[in-house]
Amino acid sequence: AQSVTQPDIHITVSEGASLELRCNYSYGATPYLFWYVQSPGQGLQLLLKYFSGDTLVQGIKGFEAEFKRSQSSFNLRKPSVHWSDAAEYFCAVGLNDMRFGAGTRLTVKP
Amino acid sequence: DSGVTQTPKHLITATGQRVTLRCSPRSGDLSVYWYQQSLDQGLQFLIQYYNGEERAKGNILERFSAQQFPDLHSELNLSSLELGDSALYFCASSAEPTQASGANVLTFGAGSRLTVL
Repeated sequence: AQSVTQPDIHITVSEGASLELRCNYSYGATPYLFWYVQSPGQGLQLLLKYFSGDTLVQGIKGFEAEFKRSQSSFNLRKPSVHWSDAAEYFCAVGLNDMRFGAGTRLTVKP
Repeated sequence: DSGVTQTPKHLITATGQRVTLRCSPRSGDLSVYWYQQSLDQGLQFLIQYYNGEERAKGNILERFSAQQFPDLHSELNLSSLELGDSALYFCASSAEPTQASGANVLTFGAGSRLTVL
């Protein structure tokens, strides 16, 4: 069965620092992987997706993620975090019945 | 505005009652998905419809049911409500349920927050 694990429940970084959010997946075939962001009181917004091809994918808001099949990982990165990036981030895998991780809450210190 | 409309935004009701949540998908999208988000369970996939037909089922309770109408809007019916049903219910839509060309990306609505007292 497909599943997603986000090991970090809460991460705090300083504004301007780099960020990496971890995601590990379990999927029977070629995974369809996504990162979504949820701001307080909002729905989920797609940051980026991986279906096939180049394993380094670029998304919106300066985010990128790298698919590593050998590690079953799809970590999200950003070189320099802005205060507006504070939100909850969800990794997801699947197609029709997309499964989400538990989320990582990002706090940005001034 | 994502283009996915959910009503009502907030709903407070009592245990044992029945409520209906409504979702209008983004224009052109044929698939509708329902998710439940709670503090203890996280984001749980409930059910998916494509052009009026059920396509995938997740952790949806028997007390819950959904349907998609000819105009493609969808309703999630929650009955015999319990305290534990309090959650944020999200609807999402997508253009194509199985195509791996990049078209199957979920667009989420803002959610309906249900509080059961």
